[in-house]
Amino acid sequence: EAGVAQSPRYKIIEKRQSVAFWCNPISGHATLYWYQQILGQGPKLLIQFQNNGVVDDSQLPKDRFSAERLKGVDSTLKIQPAKLEDSAVYLCASSLVRSWGQPYEQYFGPGTRLTVT
Amino acid sequence: KQEVTQIPAALSVPEGENLVLNCSFTDSAIYNLQWFRQDPGKGLTSLLLIQSSQREQTSGRLNASLDKSSGRSTLYIAASQPGDSATYLCAVLMDSNYQLIWGAGTKLIIKP
Repeated sequence: EAGVAQSPRYKIIEKRQSVAFWCNPISGHATLYWYQQILGQGPKLLIQFQNNGVVDDSQLPKDRFSAERLKGVDSTLKIQPAKLEDSAVYLCASSLVRSWGQPYEQYFGPGTRLTVT
Repeated sequence: KQEVTQIPAALSVPEGENLVLNCSFTDSAIYNLQWFRQDPGKGLTSLLLIQSSQREQTSGRLNASLDKSSGRSTLYIAASQPGDSATYLCAVLMDSNYQLIWGAGTKLIIKP
Protein backbone atom coordinates (compact mmCIF):
# COMPACT_ATOMS: atom_id res chain seq x y z
CA GLU A 1 0.00 0.00 0.00
CA ALA A 2 1.43 3.39 -1.00
CA GLY A 3 1.99 5.86 1.82
CA VAL A 4 1.23 9.56 2.08
CA ALA A 5 3.06 11.46 -0.64
CA GLN A 6 4.26 15.05 -0.33
CA SER A 7 6.09 17.42 -2.62
CA PRO A 8 8.37 19.21 -2.81
CA ARG A 9 10.66 17.75 -0.15
CA TYR A 10 12.62 20.95 0.26
CA LYS A 11 11.93 24.58 -0.61
CA ILE A 12 13.91 27.76 -0.05
CA ILE A 13 12.22 31.12 -0.65
CA GLU A 14 12.69 34.73 0.31
CA LYS A 15 10.35 36.45 2.72
CA ARG A 16 7.24 37.91 1.13
CA GLN A 17 7.29 35.28 -1.63
CA SER A 18 4.58 32.66 -1.96
CA VAL A 19 4.89 28.87 -1.79
CA ALA A 20 2.62 25.87 -2.18
CA PHE A 21 2.88 22.32 -0.87
CA TRP A 22 1.08 19.28 -2.20
CA CYS A 23 -0.15 16.16 -0.41
CA ASN A 24 -1.65 12.93 -1.72
CA PRO A 25 -3.12 10.81 1.10
CA ILE A 26 -3.39 7.06 1.35
CA SER A 27 -6.13 5.78 -0.94
CA GLY A 28 -9.46 5.61 0.86
CA HIS A 29 -8.47 7.88 3.72
CA ALA A 30 -11.19 10.49 4.12
CA THR A 31 -9.42 12.56 6.77
CA LEU A 32 -6.38 14.69 5.93
CA TYR A 33 -4.26 16.85 8.24
CA TRP A 34 -1.62 19.53 7.74
CA TYR A 35 0.87 20.11 10.55
CA GLN A 36 3.63 22.67 11.04
CA GLN A 37 6.73 21.52 12.93
CA ILE A 38 9.18 24.21 13.98
CA LEU A 39 12.69 23.01 14.84
CA GLY A 40 12.84 21.64 18.37
CA GLN A 41 9.07 21.46 18.79
CA GLY A 42 6.36 18.90 18.25
CA PRO A 43 4.04 19.24 15.27
CA LYS A 44 1.16 21.72 15.50
CA LEU A 45 -2.10 21.04 13.68
CA LEU A 46 -2.88 23.70 11.08
CA ILE A 47 -5.97 22.28 9.42
CA GLN A 48 -8.02 19.09 9.32
CA PHE A 49 -10.23 18.02 6.39
CA GLN A 50 -12.82 15.29 6.20
CA ASN A 51 -13.42 14.58 2.54
CA ASN A 52 -13.38 18.09 1.05
CA GLY A 53 -14.80 19.88 4.10
CA VAL A 54 -12.83 21.65 6.82
CA VAL A 55 -13.23 20.14 10.30
CA ASP A 56 -10.82 22.38 12.19
CA ASP A 57 -8.71 25.31 11.04
CA SER A 58 -8.55 27.17 14.33
CA GLN A 59 -4.73 27.30 14.34
CA LEU A 60 -4.30 28.24 10.69
CA PRO A 61 -3.01 31.83 10.27
CA LYS A 62 -5.67 32.72 7.75
CA ASP A 63 -4.18 36.06 6.82
CA ARG A 64 -1.35 34.26 5.02
CA PHE A 65 -2.09 30.52 4.96
CA SER A 66 -4.74 28.79 2.89
CA ALA A 67 -5.51 25.17 2.17
CA GLU A 68 -7.89 23.28 -0.04
CA ARG A 69 -8.83 19.71 -0.73
CA LEU A 70 -10.68 19.60 -3.99
CA LYS A 71 -12.56 16.37 -4.75
CA GLY A 72 -11.71 15.06 -1.29
CA VAL A 73 -8.37 13.52 -2.31
CA ASP A 74 -5.24 15.64 -2.90
CA SER A 75 -4.63 18.77 -0.88
CA THR A 76 -2.54 21.90 -1.27
CA LEU A 77 -1.31 24.25 1.45
CA LYS A 78 -0.27 27.74 0.42
CA ILE A 79 1.60 30.51 2.20
CA GLN A 80 1.39 34.03 0.82
CA PRO A 81 3.34 36.09 1.74
CA ALA A 82 5.90 34.03 3.66
CA LYS A 83 7.58 35.30 6.81
CA LEU A 84 10.86 34.22 8.40
CA GLU A 85 8.96 32.48 11.21
CA ASP A 86 7.26 30.19 8.68
CA SER A 87 10.52 28.23 8.35
CA ALA A 88 9.50 24.75 9.45
CA VAL A 89 8.71 21.25 8.28
CA TYR A 90 5.17 20.92 6.94
CA LEU A 91 3.75 17.46 7.49
CA CYS A 92 0.70 15.93 5.89
CA ALA A 93 -1.11 13.00 7.48
CA SER A 94 -4.18 10.97 6.60
CA SER A 95 -6.49 8.55 8.35
CA LEU A 96 -9.69 6.62 7.94
CA VAL A 97 -12.83 8.22 9.32
CA ARG A 98 -12.85 7.66 13.04
CA SER A 99 -15.22 5.10 14.47
CA TRP A 100 -15.72 4.94 18.21
CA GLY A 101 -14.10 1.92 19.77
CA GLN A 102 -12.06 1.12 16.68
CA PRO A 103 -8.28 1.51 16.35
CA TYR A 104 -7.42 4.91 14.95
CA GLU A 105 -4.10 6.04 13.56
CA GLN A 106 -2.76 8.88 11.46
CA TYR A 107 -0.20 8.06 8.78
CA PHE A 108 2.41 10.70 7.99
CA GLY A 109 4.14 11.75 4.82
CA PRO A 110 7.88 12.59 4.62
CA GLY A 111 7.26 16.33 5.06
CA THR A 112 8.37 19.45 3.22
CA ARG A 113 11.20 21.44 4.78
CA LEU A 114 10.64 25.15 4.13
CA THR A 115 13.38 27.71 4.67
CA VAL A 116 12.43 31.39 4.43
CA THR A 117 15.39 33.77 4.07
CA LYS B 1 -6.05 22.19 27.75
CA GLN B 2 -3.92 19.11 27.18
CA GLU B 3 -0.19 19.54 27.67
CA VAL B 4 2.36 16.87 26.81
CA THR B 5 5.83 17.01 28.31
CA GLN B 6 8.83 14.90 27.46
CA ILE B 7 11.80 14.55 29.76
CA PRO B 8 14.69 14.70 29.19
CA ALA B 9 14.93 17.00 26.17
CA ALA B 10 18.21 15.34 25.20
CA LEU B 11 20.01 12.18 26.23
CA SER B 12 23.41 10.75 25.31
CA VAL B 13 24.34 7.22 26.37
CA PRO B 14 26.96 4.62 25.39
CA GLU B 15 25.98 1.84 23.04
CA GLY B 16 24.51 -1.23 24.70
CA GLU B 17 22.77 0.53 27.56
CA ASN B 18 19.09 0.15 28.33
CA LEU B 19 17.28 3.47 28.57
CA VAL B 20 13.91 5.00 29.36
CA LEU B 21 12.26 8.02 27.79
CA ASN B 22 9.43 9.71 29.63
CA CYS B 23 6.21 11.35 28.48
CA SER B 24 3.59 12.95 30.72
CA PHE B 25 0.21 14.44 29.91
CA THR B 26 -2.20 16.55 31.93
CA ASP B 27 -5.61 15.35 30.68
CA SER B 28 -6.33 11.63 31.00
CA ALA B 29 -9.25 11.72 28.51
CA ILE B 30 -7.20 10.22 25.72
CA TYR B 31 -8.11 7.68 23.06
CA ASN B 32 -4.57 6.40 22.55
CA LEU B 33 -0.92 7.35 22.91
CA GLN B 34 1.68 6.95 20.23
CA TRP B 35 5.48 7.02 20.17
CA PHE B 36 7.21 8.23 17.00
CA ARG B 37 10.77 8.41 15.82
CA GLN B 38 12.07 11.29 13.69
CA ASP B 39 15.45 11.26 11.96
CA PRO B 40 17.03 14.59 10.91
CA GLY B 41 15.42 15.90 7.75
CA LYS B 42 13.02 12.99 7.63
CA GLY B 43 9.37 12.44 8.40
CA LEU B 44 7.80 10.62 11.33
CA THR B 45 7.97 6.88 11.84
CA SER B 46 5.36 5.37 14.13
CA LEU B 47 6.97 3.03 16.67
CA LEU B 48 4.23 1.95 19.05
CA LEU B 49 0.57 2.81 19.60
CA ILE B 50 -1.12 2.05 22.91
CA GLN B 51 -4.90 2.16 23.16
CA SER B 52 -6.25 3.83 26.30
CA SER B 53 -7.44 0.45 27.61
CA GLN B 54 -3.98 -1.12 27.25
CA ARG B 55 -1.04 -0.99 29.64
CA GLU B 56 1.83 -1.67 27.27
CA GLN B 57 2.95 -2.55 23.78
CA THR B 58 6.15 -4.23 22.62
CA SER B 59 7.99 -4.28 19.32
CA GLY B 60 11.43 -5.84 19.19
CA ARG B 61 13.73 -3.97 21.57
CA LEU B 62 11.07 -1.35 22.29
CA ASN B 63 8.48 -1.46 25.04
CA ALA B 64 6.01 1.34 25.74
CA SER B 65 3.87 1.53 28.85
CA LEU B 66 0.85 3.66 29.62
CA ASP B 67 -0.56 4.69 33.01
CA LYS B 68 -3.55 6.76 32.01
CA SER B 69 -4.64 7.60 35.54
CA SER B 70 -1.30 9.17 36.41
CA GLY B 71 -0.81 10.70 32.96
CA ARG B 72 2.45 8.95 32.18
CA SER B 73 4.02 6.85 29.48
CA THR B 74 7.52 5.45 29.15
CA LEU B 75 9.42 4.15 26.15
CA TYR B 76 12.00 1.55 27.10
CA ILE B 77 14.79 0.81 24.62
CA ALA B 78 16.84 -2.30 25.34
CA ALA B 79 20.46 -2.80 24.28
CA SER B 80 20.70 0.57 22.52
CA GLN B 81 22.52 0.84 19.19
CA PRO B 82 23.96 3.84 17.29
CA GLY B 83 21.15 3.41 14.77
CA ASP B 84 18.68 4.28 17.53
CA SER B 85 19.96 7.86 17.49
CA ALA B 86 17.02 10.10 16.59
CA THR B 87 14.39 12.32 18.16
CA TYR B 88 11.58 10.44 19.88
CA LEU B 89 8.17 12.10 20.12
CA CYS B 90 5.09 11.07 22.00
CA ALA B 91 1.60 12.18 21.07
CA VAL B 92 -1.80 11.65 22.67
CA LEU B 93 -5.03 11.42 20.71
CA MET B 94 -7.81 13.28 22.49
CA ASP B 95 -11.13 11.53 23.13
CA SER B 96 -13.07 14.71 22.50
CA ASN B 97 -11.92 15.68 19.00
CA TYR B 98 -9.49 12.94 17.88
CA GLN B 99 -6.71 15.48 17.57
CA LEU B 100 -3.08 14.64 18.30
CA ILE B 101 -1.31 16.69 20.95
CA TRP B 102 2.45 16.37 20.83
CA GLY B 103 5.39 16.59 23.14
CA ALA B 104 8.51 18.46 22.03
CA GLY B 105 10.56 15.28 21.82
CA THR B 106 13.68 13.75 23.33
CA LYS B 107 16.82 13.88 21.20
CA LEU B 108 18.69 10.62 21.75
CA ILE B 109 22.34 10.07 20.86
CA ILE B 110 23.86 6.61 21.21
CA LYS B 111 27.65 6.76 21.29
CA PRO B 112 29.53 3.85 19.66
